[in-house]
Amino acid sequence: KAGVTQTPRYLIKTRGQQVTLSCSPISGHRSVSWYQQTPGQGLQFLFEYFSETQRNKGNFPGRFSGRQFSNSRSEMNVSTLELGDSALYLCASSISSGLAGGVQETQYFGPGTRLLVL
Amino acid sequence: GESVGLHLPTLSVQEGDNSIINCAYSNSASDYFIWYKQESGKGPQFIIDIRSNMDKRQGQRVTVLLNKTVKHLSLQIAATQPGDSAVYFCAENKGGANNLFFGTGTRLTVIP
Repeated sequence: KAGVTQTPRYLIKTRGQQVTLSCSPISGHRSVSWYQQTPGQGLQFLFEYFSETQRNKGNFPGRFSGRQFSNSRSEMNVSTLELGDSALYLCASSISSGLAGGVQETQYFGPGTRLLVL
Repeated sequence: GESVGLHLPTLSVQEGDNSIINCAYSNSASDYFIWYKQESGKGPQFIIDIRSNMDKRQGQRVTVLLNKTVKHLSLQIAATQPGDSAVYFCAENKGGANNLFFGTGTRLTVIP
């Protein structure tokens, strides 16, 4: 079974631009979570989507948004890019969301998209 | 506040020795803990997990120990190999939602 895939792998943008990153989860996985990884802040949770609905959101400004499609593929968008948005953006998928008393499912990560904002 | 932290940022071990990577957490409500391994240029790779109703769980060459009394988590790697060199993260989850809180990571270097 193929793993989580993310595109593009590398991206260079300038301040003020916007960017869209894509994530394809493992086949059969319906939950997709996004994380930002930087040397200073480490791995931080952005948001999670399950069945096309945002279930959870981390402490990031509204410039960061996402969506999920009916095939579970997900995109995240960052508008009005700032230098501090330079990071590795990771997507993780799991079978379910684990909410409503469900058992927590293991999250499997993709290779990430490295974004550099100049 | 809530935090997942690591005792040591770096760890060097001789090939063949056992490695122990430690992690402290502060939220008693956390009910699921995971260890990930991240190699350069790659995303975190799942190693092993443990639920709060367990004290120990073993995998292939790895063991995770959970001490809820002192809110401490450890990862033991037996017979460490050069391929084990990576950054190791502990993560915790609360309430079943897929929002993991990660520690800062420990860089493990295996000396041949």
